[in-house]
Amino acid sequence: KAGVTQTPRYLIKTRGQQVTLSCSPISGHRSVSWYQQTPGQGLQFLFEYFSETQRNKGNFPGRFSGRQFSNSRSEMNVSTLELGDSALYLCASSLQKTGGNEKLFFGSGTQLSVL
Amino acid sequence: SQQGEEDPQALSIQEGENATMNCSYKTSINNLQWYRQNSGRGLVHLILIRSNEREKHSGRLRVTLDTSKKSSSLLITASRAADTASYFCATGTGANSKLTFGKGITLSVRP
Repeated sequence: KAGVTQTPRYLIKTRGQQVTLSCSPISGHRSVSWYQQTPGQGLQFLFEYFSETQRNKGNFPGRFSGRQFSNSRSEMNVSTLELGDSALYLCASSLQKTGGNEKLFFGSGTQLSVL
Repeated sequence: SQQGEEDPQALSIQEGENATMNCSYKTSINNLQWYRQNSGRGLVHLILIRSNEREKHSGRLRVTLDTSKKSSSLLITASRAADTASYFCATGTGANSKLTFGKGITLSVRP
């Protein structure tokens, strides 16, 4: 079974631009979570989707948004990029509604650099 | 905000030695999980322990949970150079909660 796939692996953008990151969960997994990882803040929860519905949202500004499609694939979008958005963005999937009660399977992440 | 805090922040040991990492948390939890991350990659799940469990084993890994002290420990026995990585504890607090991660421990195993 293929693991969680995130594309692209690396991305370089300039301030003010927007970016879309993609995540394909493990086949059969219906829950997708997104995390931002930086050296200073560690792993910060962005949002979680289950069956195309956002179930949980972290404390990030409205510039960060996401969605989930009927095939469970998910995208996250960051508009009006700032230097501080430079980070490793990790997607994770799980079989059922996560609720923090199941183990997560992570992708390799998208390393975003904002110049 | 981080729920779990790992201790120490960094650990360097010789191959063959045991590595013990600790995690403390603030609120009641439903479960606690440990993950490993190799540099710049995604996290890999190691072990999940539920709030009504006290100890779990998986291969060379042993995890304990003390809910009265709100703490957990991860023991890696007979460490190998390949165990060099960052280790994170993560807590889940209920049915509609997210999994919250600590800032991680950097483990270096010297050959």
